[in-house]
Amino acid sequence: EVQLLESGGGLVQPGGSLRLSCAASGFTFSNYAMSWVRQAPGKGLQWVSTLSGSGGSTYYADSVKGRFTISRDNSKNTLYLQMNSLRAEDTAVYYCAKDLYRSPLISVLLDFWGQGTLVTVSS
Amino acid sequence: EILLTQSPATLSLSPGESATLSCRASHSIGSYLAWYQQKPGQAPRLLIYDTTNRATGIPARFSGSGSGTDFTLTISSLEPEDFAVYYCQQRRNWPPLTFGEGTKLEIK
Repeated sequence: EVQLLESGGGLVQPGGSLRLSCAASGFTFSNYAMSWVRQAPGKGLQWVSTLSGSGGSTYYADSVKGRFTISRDNSKNTLYLQMNSLRAEDTAVYYCAKDLYRSPLISVLLDFWGQGTLVTVSS
Repeated sequence: EILLTQSPATLSLSPGESATLSCRASHSIGSYLAWYQQKPGQAPRLLIYDTTNRATGIPARFSGSGSGTDFTLTISSLEPEDFAVYYCQQRRNWPPLTFGEGTKLEIK
């Protein structure tokens, strides 16, 4: 059974940093691209970033480019999102999600999602 | 950036009725349109990908159609568990990956 478990969310002041983690199980983690998608309170879904299965290709939304870094440790089956220079508008539930297709394809069809971790940026 | 516009914003129907949800893209996206369902307090779930393909475990009452810029998700004979928010997503031209703003399907 595929499971994705996010952690690392919390309350942080504007300008601060957080690192989110997503622990994966139930599939061969290194074979799939992974993505982060966020959802501000009461709002819709917003794509944040995608990382290839090997970790060699990264993609970011313009709103986070230069501030957020996506990475993975395939030996630990874990996806990360390092978030720096946080702003109030980054407040959201952050979901990690698995790609539908095996690498090297990156389909950005997200067939399994974690339950999310809440990041609140406020003073 | 491809913008996706969903309509209506809210759809009020009764169990047993059929639902038709629309998604319009600002530019042609071929057939690269997916649909997700999200229930309160839960993560989204992939329903349909590439316009017509049901994801694993999705009931046959969910179907998708369209091409280019206009797409439809149809739910025939609504079940109580179908009342949720539905999002469309395009992958024809990314990054950025984009989602529509959602249609809330509520019980009438």
